[in-house]
Amino acid sequence: ELKVEQNPLFLSMQEGKNYTIYCNYSTTSDRLYWYRQDPGKSLESLFVLLSNGAVKQEGRLMASLDTKARLSTLHITAAVHDLSATYFCAVGAGYNFNKFYFGSGTKLNVKP
Amino acid sequence: SQTIHQWPATLVQPVGSPLSLECTVEGTSNPNLYWYRQAAGRGLQLLFYSIGIDQISSEVPQNLSASRPQDRQFILSSKKLLLSDSGFYLCAWRTTGREQYFGPGTRLTVT
Repeated sequence: ELKVEQNPLFLSMQEGKNYTIYCNYSTTSDRLYWYRQDPGKSLESLFVLLSNGAVKQEGRLMASLDTKARLSTLHITAAVHDLSATYFCAVGAGYNFNKFYFGSGTKLNVKP
Repeated sequence: SQTIHQWPATLVQPVGSPLSLECTVEGTSNPNLYWYRQAAGRGLQLLFYSIGIDQISSEVPQNLSASRPQDRQFILSSKKLLLSDSGFYLCAWRTTGREQYFGPGTRLTVT
């Protein structure tokens, strides 16, 4: 079964700092997705990465995909408190990439 | 535009009681549909997914079942709830080449 590992699981950082969340997965795939979840809420799609070397940016968040290393990163630049949430990566697999395998999530707390 | 609905939003049920959670999608045809469970502070566990009416794959052996009586309706059921069934249940839909889009979720507490 495909394994998806995120690290760190918990991240506490000061506003204005930079940090990277890592997502490693165990089998070949070029379908990688990042989601955000606020406490008590559902998941919101952030980024869709569909090929090796794909890079997407939205505001202070940038996601990238290295399919050869089976690694995706979510980089946070100059963090602000509003980015506090749990971030999940998911890998698409199987026929038509119908099945998504989720990491355990990274709980980010940005302190003012 | 597409929307996804789940109900109820919250539910408190005693152990041994039945369960029925409903998910409907609007604005798309023949979507893939998914049921996930999220225990408190944990990641997502895929329970069922469906690529069409009456085509349902079960990912985890348990006392839950799923049905898809219509193209855009997905139902999660149980005949007898266990304490371990408590959690946040999320329905999601997807069409080929897209990401999954999640519903608002149902928070189930089994007492």
